Amino acid sequence: DVKVTQSSRYLVKRTGEKVFLECVQDMDHENMFWYRQDPGLGLRLIYFSYDVKMKEKGDIPEGYSVSREKKERFSLILESASTNQTSMYLCASSLYGAGQETQYFGPGTRLLVL
Amino acid sequence: SQQGEEDPQALSIQEGENATMNCSYKTSINNLQWYRQNSGRGLVHLILIRSNEREKHSGRLRVTLDTSKKSSSLLITASRAADTASYFCATDARRLTGGGNKLTFGTGTQLKVEL
Repeated sequence: DVKVTQSSRYLVKRTGEKVFLECVQDMDHENMFWYRQDPGLGLRLIYFSYDVKMKEKGDIPEGYSVSREKKERFSLILESASTNQTSMYLCASSLYGAGQETQYFGPGTRLLVL
Repeated sequence: SQQGEEDPQALSIQEGENATMNCSYKTSINNLQWYRQNSGRGLVHLILIRSNEREKHSGRLRVTLDTSKKSSSLLITASRAADTASYFCATDARRLTGGGNKLTFGTGTQLKVEL
């Protein structure tokens, strides 16, 4: 079974702090994704990566950056956390190529920015 | 607006009853997926139906797809309390660089199954 883990289930940070959210998958998937989930807005794609050191912006990349130095690990960085980044953050991974549409999700990190 | 819109937003039924959730979308798709999310957890893939399929079954799940109406339904038969969760449809909005699809998720249907 695919396993996607996220470094923290709950996180409380202060405005202006630099925040790192880490995601690790153990199935050698090429694609990795970061979403945020807010009530009434569903899941929105922040960034995704299709290979080591490769990344592409999603729908809401402002205020975020990402890093993928190893295939299994994809980090989301909030350079200077703000209260409007309080949210549930979900990481996902998938295989490369046509017919590989299923995404496998981690348990989520609930971030509170005070 | 969301590519996928689920209906109803919330559904409460008794254990043993069937639950039906609907999803509408706006643009053409290659496939549609349904995911489940238990409270405060990540999403779990349930089933995928391709645009050339009309119906698909998996255990107690039955999914239909009507591409002419741009809609899909998820039926859970003989529901159990453990089916209590949020259910999301996801459509493949566009191909991504390097392969795979960008999925667009709806806002979900919250299902509560009471004993």
